[in-house]
Amino acid sequence: AQSVTQLGSHVSVSEGALVLLRCNYSSSVPPYLFWYVQYPNQGLQLLLKYTTGATLVKGINGFEAEFKKSETSFHLTKPSAHMSDAAEYFCAVTGSGGSNYKLTFGKGTLLTVNP
Amino acid sequence: KAGVTQTPRYLIKTRGQQVTLSCSPISGHRSVSWYQQTPGQGLQFLFEYFSETQRNKGNFPGRFSGRQFSNSRSEMNVSTLELGDSALYLCASTETSGGHNEQFFGPGTRLTVL
Repeated sequence: AQSVTQLGSHVSVSEGALVLLRCNYSSSVPPYLFWYVQYPNQGLQLLLKYTTGATLVKGINGFEAEFKKSETSFHLTKPSAHMSDAAEYFCAVTGSGGSNYKLTFGKGTLLTVNP
Repeated sequence: KAGVTQTPRYLIKTRGQQVTLSCSPISGHRSVSWYQQTPGQGLQFLFEYFSETQRNKGNFPGRFSGRQFSNSRSEMNVSTLELGDSALYLCASTETSGGHNEQFFGPGTRLTVL
């Protein structure tokens, strides 16, 4: 079974500041990890994913995340926040074995960017 | 390629009624998953279909059901609606099986139960 914990339901940063959204996971099998973004009244859009290989993953819109197995973490970062980054962000996990087709999501983190 | 489409986008029903939501996946995608999103429970997996077969099911009552057609389009049905069924219902498609594949999400159907 898998689970995801996102620390901080609401994060507020100033435009140009570092964005750090935290995600910790629990998985009984090697995980596949994802970050999705949701803008108001829209579906989810994939930012980046980790499956295997390099543990530092780069995604769209300048975001990146690092898979740290020892810390069971997959935190999302962006060096400089832009007003257009304001949205809700979801960390999700699936398992690598068997019929692990479903995404298990965290509760989400609402990112506010202040001018 | 066109993205995942869901119809209708908004729906208002009353308690006790039933509702059917539709999802058309990206062309060539054979797997369709459904998720329920509410402020309290967040995003929860409902079920997943692949080649017209339900392969995985979440922890929802039997009032929630689905099916997939030979063209990969999928429908989900909720019978005997309850107030707590008010939610955004999201459909996602992926090309093949496997947890590593990106799921492409539609814009969702906003269901309000009065």
